[in-house]
Amino acid sequence: DVKVTQSSRYLVKRTGEKVFLECVQDMDHENMFWYRQDPGLGLRLIYFSYDVKMKEKGDIPEGYSVSREKKERFSLILESASTNQTSMYLCASSASSPPYEQYFGPGTRLTVT
Amino acid sequence: SQQGEEDPQALSIQEGENATMNCSYKTSINNLQWYRQNSGRGLVHLILIRSNEREKHSGRLRVTLDTSKKSSSLLITASRAADTASYFCATASQTGANSKLTFGKGITLSVRP
Repeated sequence: DVKVTQSSRYLVKRTGEKVFLECVQDMDHENMFWYRQDPGLGLRLIYFSYDVKMKEKGDIPEGYSVSREKKERFSLILESASTNQTSMYLCASSASSPPYEQYFGPGTRLTVT
Repeated sequence: SQQGEEDPQALSIQEGENATMNCSYKTSINNLQWYRQNSGRGLVHLILIRSNEREKHSGRLRVTLDTSKKSSSLLITASRAADTASYFCATASQTGANSKLTFGKGITLSVRP
């Protein structure tokens, strides 16, 4: 069974803290993605990575950075958390050839107070 | 830059009825995919239809694609209370090496027992 895991289901952090969200996949996928999901806004792509140490900005990269040192692991970093980054964060992975079906982790509900 | 737009935004039906959800998109696609999300969880892939296909079935799911109208529909037959979830369409671009998916904002389906 394919699996994408995320380091935390729920996380509460204070404004200004540095936050690390980790994602691990066991499918040997080249592509990995970070989304945030907010009511009424759907899924918005923050960053994606198509290979180790390679990354591309998505639609809303401001305030975030990423790291991919190993193929199976993709980390999302909030350099200085703010209350407007309170959201559900979803990680996904896919192969690099069509049909690009994505496999999602269970999500991390982050609250910044 | 969300391309898929689902319709309706919310749907409430009685158990046993059929549920039809629609998705429209703007640019040429390689394929279109439907995902399901249970409350507070990650997305799960349901079904995929390629741009050269018109209809596909999987169990109680039927998806159609009309590339001339840039639209797709997902039909769930004989709905069950357990089908209550949010449903998203996602498109894979036809051009270049872009392996990202573009998600719509989702449809909330409620199936009343």
